[in-house]
Amino acid sequence: EIVLTQSPGTLSLSPGERATLSCRASQSVSGSYLGWYQQKPGQAPRLLIYGASIRATAFPDRFSGSGSGADFTLTISRLEPEDFAMYYCQWYGTSPVTFGQGTKVEIK
Amino acid sequence: EVQLVESGGDLVQPGGSLRLSCAVSGFTLRDHFMDWVRQAPGKGLQWVARSRNKASGYTTDYAASVKGRFTISRDDSKNSLYLQMNSLKREDTAVYYCVSYRSGTPDWGQGTLVTVYS
Repeated sequence: EIVLTQSPGTLSLSPGERATLSCRASQSVSGSYLGWYQQKPGQAPRLLIYGASIRATAFPDRFSGSGSGADFTLTISRLEPEDFAMYYCQWYGTSPVTFGQGTKVEIK
Repeated sequence: EVQLVESGGDLVQPGGSLRLSCAVSGFTLRDHFMDWVRQAPGKGLQWVARSRNKASGYTTDYAASVKGRFTISRDDSKNSLYLQMNSLKREDTAVYYCVSYRSGTPDWGQGTLVTVYS
């Protein structure tokens, strides 16, 4: 089973600042099946990044994904008020599909 | 446009059964892997089960926590995915999402709430 560890657990930042979220896999994985989600309270997760670096069309280009092997990163270049939310990474290449425990990006 | 619409969530007592459905549109179900994923109140996301496509023989996999109690199935002619949940426990309380994978891109439904209470 691929274990995904996200860090930090909580990121306290101000609007306009840069956010860097980490997702580390317990072994090397294909980035083709690594995704990131944004979730706000009471809402379903929204696919943000798939294939490690391909941004979903609903999201602006201040969001970017990168990484390979066992280390992946989600970067928000300049935080907007609507970006404060929970973010999860997901490995979906094989079962069991696994998720990181999430990083909460909160307003400082 | 791809759409996944879950239904069937309800209040149920421990030990009871429930069948969830996921109606899909905008793609051919038989060609794609499908998952059920759940999220307990205030918790993270947890994979539940997978149904592989026709080319992979419609094989299935389950999370250890539901194996032997839950059954994932599909009816390609009805463009529908199902999750039969038996011997429900309080810890199965969650929003259940169906997820499709088209060309490596996950698509999610809006979820259906299952509450197991006594």
